[in-house]
Amino acid sequence: QMTQSPSSLSASVGDRVTITCRASQVIRNYLAWYQQRPGKVPQVLIYAASTLQSGVPARFSGSGSGTDFSLTISSLQPEDVATYYCQDYHTAPWTFGQGTKVEIK
Amino acid sequence: EVQLVQSGAGLVQPEGSLTLSCAASGFTFSNYWMSWVRQAPGKGLQWVANIGQDGSEKYYADSVEGRFIISRDNAKNSVSLQMTSLRADDTAVYYCARISGHESGDGSRHWFFDLWGRGTLVTVSS
Repeated sequence: QMTQSPSSLSASVGDRVTITCRASQVIRNYLAWYQQRPGKVPQVLIYAASTLQSGVPARFSGSGSGTDFSLTISSLQPEDVATYYCQDYHTAPWTFGQGTKVEIK
Repeated sequence: EVQLVQSGAGLVQPEGSLTLSCAASGFTFSNYWMSWVRQAPGKGLQWVANIGQDGSEKYYADSVEGRFIISRDNAKNSVSLQMTSLRADDTAVYYCARISGHESGDGSRHWFFDLWGRGTLVTVSS
């Protein structure tokens, strides 16, 4: 089970935003982060907890290992309005966090 | 063009059956694991099932184990999800997704969904 926090947040353009994800068991670094913009399909941002997928802006970064992970947006942009999901792929069944909705203040 | 095109959406009665299909193009389909992920209306993502490159390995979420079957036809570049004994809580948009793998420097293998279909809505209701 993956627990994300907060469930939603509102921040200003240019703010640093951090989302956390906690696993119920040790999953090493077998964690990915996805972004789902409104009305769109999800897109992978990060895998292996901290590896940025090709084409993803460098303002996104991931960290963590074991049970505690985080996704940081260094400078929030209007196009970052979306729901963000962590996902554990350590072993089946794969599980997603419940999502964090990010809005612009 | 690299894409996944889904078909098979619909309204089905409780305890009914429905099969979803996903046609792949623009890449070597048989090189990839494939998956189904669903999203109930206004809710988060839920992984449903994975199938290996040759179809011999399959994994399911506990909530669908015994009711859903994932399969693939590499000759036709397609993956399917056969759903039976459908319940109201199976109502969701179902996404077909390609799984890509990346080997880290320590030899560990990491997986992620790197290509998604547009999704098809399955509604289970009487």
